[in-house]
This record gives sequence, structure tokens and C-alpha cells, in this order.
Amino acid sequence: EAQVTQNPRYLITVTGKKLTVTCSQNMNHEYMSWYRQDPGLGLRQIYYSMNVEVTDKGDVPEGYKVSRKEKRNFPLILESPSPNQTSLYFCASSSGVGLYNEQFFGPGTRLTVL
Amino acid sequence: AQTVTQSQPEMSVQEAETVTLSCTYDTSENNYYLFWYKQPPSRQMILVIRQEAYKQQNATENRFSVNFQKAAKSFSLKISDSQLGDTAMYFCAFMKINFGNEKLTFGTGTRLTIIP
Repeated sequence: EAQVTQNPRYLITVTGKKLTVTCSQNMNHEYMSWYRQDPGLGLRQIYYSMNVEVTDKGDVPEGYKVSRKEKRNFPLILESPSPNQTSLYFCASSSGVGLYNEQFFGPGTRLTVL
Repeated sequence: AQTVTQSQPEMSVQEAETVTLSCTYDTSENNYYLFWYKQPPSRQMILVIRQEAYKQQNATENRFSVNFQKAAKSFSLKISDSQLGDTAMYFCAFMKINFGNEKLTFGTGTRLTIIP
């Protein structure tokens, strides 16, 4: 089954404790992206990647890092999480070729930073 | 930069009735896509319908249709014969056409409740 998976689905952590949220897709997609969803703000892009070793900042990159060492994986790294990073996080992917490519979203990761 | 505005934070409608969700956007681009996404309580983001800005014909997917007014920069979603399973948060989203960042710019959402 074609899908985007994220782990963990839920995470409660404390300020300053490094964490990684994994994202993996099995569709051989070139394009991957991270969003955060906050009440009253909708979803906002954090980082994106157009291919292996090609990543760039989105609209709200502060406090986050990403890497794209393999095509299928695009982990989101919070080196020193803070309470303002408490949010719902989504990973998305698309084929990245052509004018329109449907984006497939992962199931979301609910992160709480105390 | 693009902005997307959804002015109805919450709406409710009786089952089987028709409901229209509003969305306006601001852009200087001429070629772009517009989308409606549904987010049920499971939190999964589900694509409902897509509209290409260069197409004058309004997109339709079964009970879902849009009213796309390019000059007015308006993109409303009509749900006909509403069902309990339509209860969800609905997001309007914009994407400009390019071969780079496929960023979706989202509105703040409308929480729709279908009343039995």
C-alpha cells in the first residue's frame, strides 16, 4: 500500500531534550515536506526537500533541522525543543515531476513539549 | 507571498442539507492550483477537490463542487446532501505552479459539523 508513515504518532517530552520525528514514504517520491499545524494558523511549511541531499527552509524553520540521506526518509530533528514547538506535525510527499503532483500526507505526530 | 483566508471558523448544518464553505486568497500569480482538504477527527489530511486556475470550469467530485471566481480570488466549496461523515475541519489551500517548492499555503480552517 502506498503510504507516508510517521513515528512516533504521539510524543510528550521536556524542554531541551533532543528528539527526532521520522517520516518515510514507499512511493519513490522525490519531493518531501514538513508542516506544523496550530489552532487558528492552519498548516505552515517548516522544511522541504526536492531530492536526496537537497533541502531548504520553508516558512517556519527556526528550531528545526532536517536531513535527506535516502530518498524514502525525511526526518525532522528538534535539537533543543521548546514549549512553542508543541504542535501537530505532518510529513508530505509527492513525485516531484510535472506541473501537478498530488501530495500525500502522513498521519500526523502530536508533539507536546513541557 | 500568498495568503489564504477562511472567514468561517465554525459551521453546522442538518444532515442532507447543502452547505457552502468560503475561501478567499491573495496572490500576484496567474497560474496556480487551489485545493480543499478535509481533516476528520482522525487528523488525516484528505484531498477533497482540486481546481486549476487556468480552467474556467468549476471542479466537481461527486457531492463536492467548487465555485471558482478568479477575478474575485474566491474559491468556495459546496457540499450537497451532507452526511455525518462530512463532519471535519476543512482547509482551503493554494499552490503556485513551479518546478521547485511545492508548498501548500493553507487557510486557518472551517470546522464543519453535520447534525443528525
